[in-house]
Amino acid sequence: IAGITQAPTSQILAAGRRMTLRCTQDMRHNAMYWYRQDLGLGLRLIHYSNTAGTTGKGEVPDGYSVSRANTDDFPLTLASAVPSQTSVYFCASSKTSEGTDTQYFGPGTRLTVL
Amino acid sequence: GQNIDQPTEMTATEGAIVQINCTYQTSGFNGLFWYQQHAGEAPTFLSYNVLDGLEEKGRFSSFLSRSKGYSYLLLKELQMKDSASYLCAVRDSNYQLIWGAGTKLIIKP
Repeated sequence: IAGITQAPTSQILAAGRRMTLRCTQDMRHNAMYWYRQDLGLGLRLIHYSNTAGTTGKGEVPDGYSVSRANTDDFPLTLASAVPSQTSVYFCASSKTSEGTDTQYFGPGTRLTVL
Repeated sequence: GQNIDQPTEMTATEGAIVQINCTYQTSGFNGLFWYQQHAGEAPTFLSYNVLDGLEEKGRFSSFLSRSKGYSYLLLKELQMKDSASYLCAVRDSNYQLIWGAGTKLIIKP
């Protein structure tokens, strides 16, 4: 593994189903983030984690949950998917959440909820 | 509220120079980032400004004026591979990144 990986690459999901998007990084970064990207809108932060064991809510957290049991993994769960959650989801990480630390992005998961 | 404004789309010619502007209104300021995103791919880091002035990195330069809430990304000697979206993002007082919608740059031969 080099950098950040996300799985699955794409998924079509029936409304009401539960879904977990996986994100793993091997850079030993403390901070991790989940964004969604929709056409015509900027990246919007869903949840973040500044360090293992802690999480926080971003701009659009409703309908999503996260956990950070260790440094490397930061899964995003949709408890009961709705069509408005159709989007491209990006996981990102940075050494810390401050200073000049750059966020590095995974390749994304394209999710369609029908 | 917090707001980042960028032009939606710009067109330029191969070999030319293009300037992509970004204006922002955020709760606090802890730096401004520019990212490049090719269609269907993840954003990749281009530049970071936290002090006023120009930062040059090869063909790309980024400028910041904190008093005006303004930045621009300057791309010189444009190449076809520069066709992409360019995202402006500001780190606010909570150290979260607030993102603009991006500027789609189309390069014509």
